[in-house]
Amino acid sequence: EDKVVQSPLSLVVHEGDTVTLNCSYEVTNFRSLLWYKQEKKAPTFLFMLTSSGIEKKSGRLSSILDKKELFSILNITATQTGDSAVYLCAVEDFSGGGADGLTFGKGTHLIIQP
Amino acid sequence: DTEVTQTPKHLVMGMTNKKSLKCEQHMGHRAMYWYKQKAKKPPELMFVYSYEKLSINESVPSRFSPECPNSSLLNLHLHALQPEDSALYLCASSPSPIGPYNQPQHFGDGTRLSIL
Repeated sequence: EDKVVQSPLSLVVHEGDTVTLNCSYEVTNFRSLLWYKQEKKAPTFLFMLTSSGIEKKSGRLSSILDKKELFSILNITATQTGDSAVYLCAVEDFSGGGADGLTFGKGTHLIIQP
Repeated sequence: DTEVTQTPKHLVMGMTNKKSLKCEQHMGHRAMYWYKQKAKKPPELMFVYSYEKLSINESVPSRFSPECPNSSLLNLHLHALQPEDSALYLCASSPSPIGPYNQPQHFGDGTRLSIL
């Protein structure tokens, strides 16, 4: 059974700090690892990672995947109060047939204090 | 607003009612998904449709019945639900279900369901 473990489960920092969120996984046939941000409603897509060692960046957010050690990190620099949310890590395996659903970790609840 | 539209946004129903949740996307995506999310928990996969055919059913009770009438529309029919079925029901879609590298799933805002 696929497993995704995120740490920490909650984190409180001050505006301007840099945070690193962790995600480790076990999956039978790895296809991709995804990061989502969830506030009150839909999870919104941040990054999709399929290859080791290639950093993806979007503004103050970046993420990297290590397929040998089976983990990923999500970095947020110069945090702002609008970054407060639950950050979800999910993995998708490859059954060889068609679309597979996502297995999510429990999420990291990030609170940015002004 | 997301490009995956779910209706209704909120639904309150009794245990004997029959209702349906609707999900629509016009992005030409050929894979669609239903997830259930309880409070303070991550989403859990329920069903996957690939080219309008049910490809994955994660042992969901038969009181939940999915339907994919065409490539843009996904329904979830509800009947005789229990109070523990109260949750946020999320629909997602992704472009192509075939190939070793899928593309990210995009989620709708969900339907918040309460069972009395």
